[in-house]
Amino acid sequence: AQKITQTQPGMFVQEKEAVTLDCTYDTSDQSYGLFWYKQPSSGEMIFLIYQGSYDEQNATEGRYSLNFQKARKSANLVISASQLGDSAMYFCAMRELQYNQGGKLIFGQGTELSVKP
Amino acid sequence: GAGVSQSPSNKVTEKGKDVELRCDPISGHTALYWYRQSLGQGLEFLIYFQGNSAPDKSGLPSDRFSAERTGGSVSTLTIQRTQQEDSAVYLCASSSDSPSYEQYFGPGTRLTVT
Repeated sequence: AQKITQTQPGMFVQEKEAVTLDCTYDTSDQSYGLFWYKQPSSGEMIFLIYQGSYDEQNATEGRYSLNFQKARKSANLVISASQLGDSAMYFCAMRELQYNQGGKLIFGQGTELSVKP
Repeated sequence: GAGVSQSPSNKVTEKGKDVELRCDPISGHTALYWYRQSLGQGLEFLIYFQGNSAPDKSGLPSDRFSAERTGGSVSTLTIQRTQQEDSAVYLCASSSDSPSYEQYFGPGTRLTVT
């Protein structure tokens, strides 16, 4: 069975510094996708970044990058130059890729990030 | 364009009553998902619709839960004979046929069963 583990319930970071949020996963599938979502206190889930299991390069989206280490089964999110608006809950998620179609996401328990001014 | 919309945003119901939660996906998205978010259980998958295929109902917690998707667009999640443990935020998401099939979420419906 697929499983996502986020071991940091809460993290603090100083504004303008970089922060790494940890995510490890467990799957026996060869094809899978890894996602990070942000959930501010308002409640909406915001898609941040995606990494496919066959992608050789780490994904980047603006200030977000995904440090993908396949052999270690880790998919850490790096946020550079933290901003006060980055304070939120962050979820790592995984989906099995099959038959060129979507599928359910398995989520970790989340990490609450607080950015200090 | 418009995102995923859900209604109502909040629903308070008495134990034993039936409730219906609605989701309007992003136009053109072929896949639609329902998840539940609660303090004790985190984010749980409930059900997934993909085009005209049979839905993946593997996450529905009991036979009191059902969902349908009409015309490949709007979806309704129905909970019959609600229980207090059904209290949660119900999130709907949709995805297109992009290579990553990333899911875009609606604002959720907060259900409180008293």
